[in-house]
Amino acid sequence: DTEVTQTPKHLVMGMTNKKSLKCEQHMGHRAMYWYKQKAKKPPELMFVYSYEKLSINESVPSRFSPECPNSSLLNLHLHALQPEDSALYLCASSQTGQPFDQLFFGSGTQLSVL
Amino acid sequence: EDQVTQSPEALRLQEGESSSLNCSYTVSGLRGLFWYRQDPGKGPEFLFTLYSAGEEKEKERLKATLTKKESFLHITAPKPEDSATYLCAVEGETSGSRLTFGEGTQLTVNP
Repeated sequence: DTEVTQTPKHLVMGMTNKKSLKCEQHMGHRAMYWYKQKAKKPPELMFVYSYEKLSINESVPSRFSPECPNSSLLNLHLHALQPEDSALYLCASSQTGQPFDQLFFGSGTQLSVL
Repeated sequence: EDQVTQSPEALRLQEGESSSLNCSYTVSGLRGLFWYRQDPGKGPEFLFTLYSAGEEKEKERLKATLTKKESFLHITAPKPEDSATYLCAVEGETSGSRLTFGEGTQLTVNP
């Protein structure tokens, strides 16, 4: 199994809603990532978890809250988002999070904030 | 600061018409240069990692090469299913597992 599974595929939420994005992998990878991608732009790194500990937080606003319950699961909790947060949110995993690691990406959650 | 510039932004080819995509980079101590393919509405799919100048890697109709300043993705006799956005990314010695992506080249192959 070489898949990273993200749910839901699409999400529409209002600015006062609370929602969560979920990501799962069963490749035994110990590093998991959240990226944000706007249309026709490259992915931007948000968070990295390495061995279930948050190792990188790219100064992301607190309305985005990551959680890594175990080595296979990664969540992104969303609260009080702004319309400019609408984007494709990508989860990725890699073997260890060390240099040269190949990233495996999920298909993403297309988020629209109204 | 690591920088990646990809050209052209968009490329239209006829089926069978070979061409190359360019990725120019500036990085403090290259650890790796990565090529990904991304289809609309999907996550990037890994293609190649190149580590040092002179290295080449091939996969089906794709061949990636690396010099000290740039990488090329050569597409030989492309097919319509090769249509996608191709992303180049670098990891430098000071980047701490962060990839710096280029803006991508959107490739369209017409039948």
